[in-house]
Amino acid sequence: DGGITQSPKYLFRKEGQNVTLSCEQNLNHDAMYWYRQDPGQGLRLIYYSQIVNDFQKGDIAEGYSVSREKKESFPLTVTSAQKNPTAFYLCASSGGIIYEQYFGPGTRLTVT
Amino acid sequence: SQQGEEDPQALSIQEGENATMNCSYKTSINNLQWYRQNSGRGLVHLILIRSNEREKHSGRLRVTLDTSKKSSSLLITASRAADTASYFCATGAYSGGGADGLTFGKGTHLIIQP
Repeated sequence: DGGITQSPKYLFRKEGQNVTLSCEQNLNHDAMYWYRQDPGQGLRLIYYSQIVNDFQKGDIAEGYSVSREKKESFPLTVTSAQKNPTAFYLCASSGGIIYEQYFGPGTRLTVT
Repeated sequence: SQQGEEDPQALSIQEGENATMNCSYKTSINNLQWYRQNSGRGLVHLILIRSNEREKHSGRLRVTLDTSKKSSSLLITASRAADTASYFCATGAYSGGGADGLTFGKGTHLIIQP
């Protein structure tokens, strides 16, 4: 059963703590992405990776970090430097040339 | 900044009617895509139209692209209750090294009344 998985679905953290969101895909896609969605808003690009061991900042990378050690995995760390971390986080992957992206179910992060 | 802007922000129609949503963007694009999002869920890709295409169909979906006006429209014919969702347009670029991230609009929230 191919697709993208994100875990956990809901995550609660105290302010000042770093938290890592998981994203795994078995679609054999080279490119992976992280987006943030706030209520009533569209998606904003945080980071993306076109190939293993390489990644680029998106529009709102400050306060976030990523790694891409394996083709299947692209974890996102929300650091304590992110001023407004509470949001819905979506991971996606793409085969590259075709451009359409496949999205995971999302992780809703609440920081209090 | 977000490039795409959908219009209207919200749309409520009766089941069986057609729904039309519009999207405008600011810079040159390689392709434009439409996605659907059910409440609290991930996005589902609907259709992609390349910059050299003017119209594309997929089932009950019809997408048009006017690059001179930097605009696109999504038409859903014979709407069903299951079409209730938010619809986003997204523009894509290709940097030569691979597929860059998409730039999304804020979406149109479509409600289909039974």
